[in-house]
Amino acid sequence: GENVEQHPSTLSVQEGDSAVIKCTYSDSASNYFPWYKQELGKRPQLIIDIRSNVGEKKDQRIAVTLNKTAKHFSLHITETQPEDSAVYFCAARTGGSYIPTFGRGTSLIVHP
Amino acid sequence: DTGVSQDPRHKITKRGQNVTFRCDPISEHNRLYWYRQTLGQGPEFLTYFQNEAQLEKSRLLSDRFSAERPKGSFSTLEIQRTEQGDSAMYLCASTADYYEQYFGPGTRLTVT
Repeated sequence: GENVEQHPSTLSVQEGDSAVIKCTYSDSASNYFPWYKQELGKRPQLIIDIRSNVGEKKDQRIAVTLNKTAKHFSLHITETQPEDSAVYFCAARTGGSYIPTFGRGTSLIVHP
Repeated sequence: DTGVSQDPRHKITKRGQNVTFRCDPISEHNRLYWYRQTLGQGPEFLTYFQNEAQLEKSRLLSDRFSAERPKGSFSTLEIQRTEQGDSAMYLCASTADYYEQYFGPGTRLTVT
């Protein structure tokens, strides 16, 4: 089955800095890569996703890049703000499957 | 609130007891998922339904776990003869398409 590795497990940045979280996946047939944000005590919420026919996608301060050859994808957050502090999960899903495999999460701490 | 709801939000039980959780998906979402999440981990897939049919179960799912979605709307997850290792957050998610999953707030289970 699919295996997703996520790094780093913890990321601490100053407000205004950029943050990058990286994930690798094992199954070359994976074609959908969502990112979820989970604030303390709250439910995971989708913040951005990318499909395998696209190399990069942006939404305001967040962007996701995908390198299918290397089987890795990354979340980029620019101009970080304290409210970006949360746990971020990447996931990968193989084509034909409805079941995503999640990474272990990255705890992002943005210091004001 | 038209989002995914779960009940109860917290459950404390003694080892050996049975527990049942309920999930109400977003109306008209035909796919419903159950996940387990422990501290420092991403959501781990347990089982998934398309309408009332249970299409897949994790190989890691003990036979003490059973799930139903009798009318293709709400779902229940039952754990029989609970063990301390069952202590976790149990998340439900629903989706109407192939992509974004909407998560519920979760049921936190503590087995003493």
